[in-house]
Amino acid sequence: QVQLVQSGAEVKKPGATVKVSCKASGYTFTSYGISWVRQAPGQGLEWLGWISANNGNTNYAQKLQGRVTLTTDTSTSTAYMELRSLRSDDSAVYYCARATGGGSGIYLSYWGQGTLVTVSS
Amino acid sequence: DIQMTQSPSSLSASVGDRVTITCRASQSITRYLNWYQFKPGKAPKLLIYAASSLQSGVPSRFSGSGSGTEFTLTISSLQPEDFATYYCQQSYSIPRTFGPGTKVDIK
Repeated sequence: QVQLVQSGAEVKKPGATVKVSCKASGYTFTSYGISWVRQAPGQGLEWLGWISANNGNTNYAQKLQGRVTLTTDTSTSTAYMELRSLRSDDSAVYYCARATGGGSGIYLSYWGQGTLVTVSS
Repeated sequence: DIQMTQSPSSLSASVGDRVTITCRASQSITRYLNWYQFKPGKAPKLLIYAASSLQSGVPSRFSGSGSGTEFTLTISSLQPEDFATYYCQQSYSIPRTFGPGTKVDIK
């Protein structure tokens, strides 16, 4: 069965960098993309970006452009989300999700369990 | 960016009730609209994609409709496991924005 297993909770200081992993299993990793979404405490959902696991093409939310980098390691079927220059308002649960399609019409058919990132001095 | 709104923001319903949630987009998104279910402590779940296509494994009591700027998610007969928060998401353009959510709880 399709599974996306994310790395554990992180506590970081302002200005630091966090890297969250998302290990996929149960499907051909390079046949789908991975999207990242976050949810701050008591807030709604924010789309962060998408990466093609086939060719590494990416789309990013303009709000985070320059601070976020999405990568994949096809040898281990793992996707990564790195966020730099952390601020307190980056505290959130971060989700990875398997993306079917890459352009208009894309949908997130399987999700990871979420990774809590807390930014605090 | 395309803004998504949902109504109501929350609702209380009983098991067996018919529930309808509305999602509106700030511009036409044709039929590029997905619905997700979120429950605390569980991985989120895709219910509907492309406005009305039922994701494999999702019970048929869930249905979606709409096009352009107005969409609905309907649960024909609410079950105990359906108490959750529901989000719509447009997949027409980047950023792929979400609605603010509709929390369905027990009356």
